[in-house]
Amino acid sequence: GAGVSQSPRYKVAKRGQDVALRCDPISGHVSLFWYQQALGQGPEFLTYFQNEAQLDKSGLPSDRFFAERPEGSVSTLKIQRTQQEDSAVYLCASSLDSSGGIGYTFGSGTRLTVV
Amino acid sequence: DQQVKQNSPSLSVQEGRISILNCDYTNSMFDYFLWYKKYPAEGPTFLISISSIKDKNEDGRFTVFLNKSAKHLSLHIVPSQPGDSAVYFCAASDGADGLTFGKGTHLIIQP
Repeated sequence: GAGVSQSPRYKVAKRGQDVALRCDPISGHVSLFWYQQALGQGPEFLTYFQNEAQLDKSGLPSDRFFAERPEGSVSTLKIQRTQQEDSAVYLCASSLDSSGGIGYTFGSGTRLTVV
Repeated sequence: DQQVKQNSPSLSVQEGRISILNCDYTNSMFDYFLWYKKYPAEGPTFLISISSIKDKNEDGRFTVFLNKSAKHLSLHIVPSQPGDSAVYFCAASDGADGLTFGKGTHLIIQP
């Protein structure tokens, strides 16, 4: 597609429920990033893939968060046993190479609300 | 501890005047800086960037200035237009994976 597509756009989860957020990057983009943006804050780095390899997961806030990109294209961010503090917009970004910053294209995000 | 700080949550500027958005950082390892613009319900879009070896970069109405000694950068928009109303994020890279973002400044252009 023309841009980075994220689904669902909105997700309401009951506390303790597992959720899966999907990211379809721009075709051919090597690098894929996940960010978490809490209300009133800037995006915070979660994890980075280069093709199917997860090269950096230092930003994942707990072991309840898991991301994968098995075929080097679509990525899924999974959050197990959701908590209220997980409520945020989850942004996915992709870029053609690993140069970082330049060439990032962000998706519109998934707004997760945990009730 | 915030490594990238945007101390003005909002800024109101009259159409046609100059908008100046400020950003301070604390990590001396940052060597690349970027500005992103974000409309409601959309993802951030890249606006302009600057490498630490430069002190100025210009692209049309947008100019970014970097003062390394003060660990300060600013984005100038001249002249400001109604479509510039958005949230502007300052971001920095230290060459590692991912960017460090500030909290953003909501720019409001008044007619």
